[in-house]
Amino acid sequence: TQLLEQSPQFLSIQEGENLTVYCNSSSVFSSLQWYRQEPGEGPVLLVTVVTGGEVKKLKRLTFQFGDARKDSSLHITAAQPGDTGLYLCAGVKVDSWGKLQFGAGTQVVVTP
Amino acid sequence: EADIYQTPRYLVIGTGKKITLECSQTMGHDKMYWYQQDPGMELHLIHYSYGVNSTEKGDLSSESTVSRIRTEHFPLTLESARPSHTSQYLCASSEYAGGSTDTQYFGPGTRLTVL
Repeated sequence: TQLLEQSPQFLSIQEGENLTVYCNSSSVFSSLQWYRQEPGEGPVLLVTVVTGGEVKKLKRLTFQFGDARKDSSLHITAAQPGDTGLYLCAGVKVDSWGKLQFGAGTQVVVTP
Repeated sequence: EADIYQTPRYLVIGTGKKITLECSQTMGHDKMYWYQQDPGMELHLIHYSYGVNSTEKGDLSSESTVSRIRTEHFPLTLESARPSHTSQYLCASSEYAGGSTDTQYFGPGTRLTVL
């Protein structure tokens, strides 16, 4: 059983459309991170959210941490082909010394 | 810019061979990690280290072993490779910043195939 459930598993959209990726759990996290991974590369950190209800924006990407710190979402506005990649959420459980628990990822494909 | 390197990038090897996957970082990070990644599955932590001479097993049981003799170097060894070890192995490092907000920097990974 996965600690962090990501949905959807795969998302294919046209350039200019919006999309939302979800990351859900029954566990509480000290923080939650979002990474993007491209083929042949390791994941790269996009953002860390720490406070329940926190919203962070990174250009066209908006990240939200749930009030209870059990879930998070990533919203991309006006997606571009450069947004294509595997989006991974990862949570740090309380008292885990910073160890990350990863979701299985959402593969996003944005076509021109 | 993160500087963490993994070699080899790809490895195809026969059953029973001993292999070592190399991971080096030039950032002076104390914490280093090894993850296993398979398609459609979450990254699983198999080993981690908080510094020189410190190694711990991760959440996923693994037949591999690791060592941390130098801060910058965290190699992973499989004494006798089996087809079940076929996977993508990712190395990462982080600078301690309070635990819950550590940023992990990942290497490009080693794609291991055991025939």
